[in-house]
Amino acid sequence: GNSVTQMEGPVTLSEEAFLTINCTYTATGYPSLFWYVQYPGEGLQLLLKATKADDKGSNKGFEATYRKETTSFHLEKGSVQVSDSAVYFCALGGNGGYQKVTFGTGTKLQVIP
Amino acid sequence: GAVVSQHPSRVICKSGTSVKIECRSLDFQATTMFWYRQFPKKSLMLMATSNEGSKATYEQGVEKDKFLINHASLTLSTLTVTSAHPEDSSFYICSARALLAGAMDTQYFGPGTRLTVL
Repeated sequence: GNSVTQMEGPVTLSEEAFLTINCTYTATGYPSLFWYVQYPGEGLQLLLKATKADDKGSNKGFEATYRKETTSFHLEKGSVQVSDSAVYFCALGGNGGYQKVTFGTGTKLQVIP
Repeated sequence: GAVVSQHPSRVICKSGTSVKIECRSLDFQATTMFWYRQFPKKSLMLMATSNEGSKATYEQGVEKDKFLINHASLTLSTLTVTSAHPEDSSFYICSARALLAGAMDTQYFGPGTRLTVL
């Protein structure tokens, strides 16, 4: 079955530091890959998405590239801000909104001034 | 954008009582909604898939008689936790499938409901 493995947190960074959160997956077929973000006290928000190999999803300075050869979808940001403090979930699913989404365990990011 | 709301945001109940959680799509119609459960420091676990006008499809290991799901309209799905016990305490999140003009077919998530059973 499908599964997602992401690095355990928490990750603590100083403001303006470079961020990488690793994510690898196991799946049959050709899933879409997602990063969701959950800010304190809020629900999940879709951060970015990639639907096929070599696609790069990007949003709010975050990027992730769908690497089929390494089955990875690492999240990166060049310069984090305090406002980026949240829990980040890597996920995979079908291309249709009616299809199941399988989530990783989440990585908590804390950015300190 | 597509907005999904949940009510209540927090609920505390006594053991043995039932609790109903509502999930609404505010500005779009959702033929499919999903219910997830999130344990502390764990990922979201899909509980069931709910299609408007039909019975929900439950994931393996989820008791359908305990977690009653009703998707009576295109904008509302409800999850009722029956005869709640302390181990049912969790964060419950719904999502709704949105087919918006000019946007990709995707799911939008509600803010979640924190259930505490005493």
